[in-house]
Amino acid sequence: AQSVTQLDSHVSVSEGTPVLLRCNYSSSYSPSLFWYVQHPNKGLQLLLKYTSAATLVKGINGFEAEFKKSETSFHLTKPSAHMSDAAEYFCVVSDLISGTYKYIFGTGTRLKVLA
Amino acid sequence: NAGVTQTPKFQVLKTGQSMTLQCAQDMNHEYMSWYRQDPGMGLRLIHYSVGAGITDQGEVPNGYNVSRSTTEDFPLRLLSAAPSQTSVYFCASSFGTGRSTEAFFGQGTRLTVV
Repeated sequence: AQSVTQLDSHVSVSEGTPVLLRCNYSSSYSPSLFWYVQHPNKGLQLLLKYTSAATLVKGINGFEAEFKKSETSFHLTKPSAHMSDAAEYFCVVSDLISGTYKYIFGTGTRLKVLA
Repeated sequence: NAGVTQTPKFQVLKTGQSMTLQCAQDMNHEYMSWYRQDPGMGLRLIHYSVGAGITDQGEVPNGYNVSRSTTEDFPLRLLSAAPSQTSVYFCASSFGTGRSTEAFFGQGTRLTVV
């Protein structure tokens, strides 16, 4: 079975500084990986996804993530944090279970942006 | 398009009561699913459906029932609520069940069982 580990439950950054949210995965084959964002009292929204094309994936709102097979990582980055980036972020892997692909979620990283 | 709509947004139940969480989507998606979100545990799959008339269990199905009589609707029933079912519930839908398929989520139902 595949799994994802989000290495930090909370991250705090100052507005205008870089954001790094870390995610490691375990997979016996080339995975599909996603980052979703959840703003307070909202549903989850797709930020970006990796599907074995380009290893550097660009998403919405200036976020990007790099798939590194040698490190089994899919870290999410943004060059300059904005107050509106404060949210919870989930790293997700798609796994084939009982004949159907299903999402396996990490435990989430709560990003706080300081003024 | 409204996307995925969940009702109610908030609910308080007494132990032993039953209720149905509603989920509707207007994107003609075949695949729908229910998750629960608990602190420090991410989202866990409760039940899912790959099309009208077809449902199956996810990771944490106990205490919940589902049915899928139409493509649009996928209600989640709690037969006898327990405090352990206090959680935030999310419904999601997607066009298919492929490896790279994006899921669309509702805004969630926050359920408290006292």
